[in-house]
Amino acid sequence: AQTVTQSQPEMSVQEAETVTLSCTYDTSESNYYLFWYKQPPSRQMILVIRQEAYKQQNATENRFSVNFQKAAKSFSLKISDSQLGDTAMYFCAFMKLWDYKYIFGTGTRLKVLA
Amino acid sequence: DGGITQSPKYLFRKEGQNVTLSCEQNLNHDAMYWYRQDPGQGLRLIYYSQIVNDFQKGDIAEGYSVSREKKESFPLTVTSAQKNPTAFYLCASSSTGGFSQPQHFGDGTRLSIL
Repeated sequence: AQTVTQSQPEMSVQEAETVTLSCTYDTSESNYYLFWYKQPPSRQMILVIRQEAYKQQNATENRFSVNFQKAAKSFSLKISDSQLGDTAMYFCAFMKLWDYKYIFGTGTRLKVLA
Repeated sequence: DGGITQSPKYLFRKEGQNVTLSCEQNLNHDAMYWYRQDPGQGLRLIYYSQIVNDFQKGDIAEGYSVSREKKESFPLTVTSAQKNPTAFYLCASSSTGGFSQPQHFGDGTRLSIL
């Protein structure tokens, strides 16, 4: 069975600085997808970024980028130029190809400090 | 605008009572999901459905029931057998075609015991 581990329950970062959130996963599959979701205090889950396992290039969305290390089964999220609106819970998720079920990590609570 | 509507936003249950949480989507998605969110435990899958009139148990299905009579609707009933129902419940949907289909989430329902 697949598992997703987020080892940092809480983190904080100063506004405008860079922070990296860690995620590791365990799977025997070779074709899968990885996602980062953000859940602000409003509790709405928002997709931040996604990565297909077959792509070697790391995904980037504006200030958000990932470091995908397939052999190490690691999928970290880097937030550059942190903003107060980035304060949220961040969840890493795994989905096996054609399975359509997500496996979520336990989340990292990020606080951006003014 | 397409999206997922969950209602009610807040719900209170008396002892021995069944309650039903509503989830409606107009995204034309085939798959729908119900998650339970407790502090420090991330999202746990209760039930999911990939097609009308079919659904599967997730990791914590005991004490819950669902139906999928229409593509747009996936109501969740929290039965009296669920002894600890107090939690935040999230409904999600996704397409089952193509690659790396992200899940779209509703705004959630917070259920509490009276």
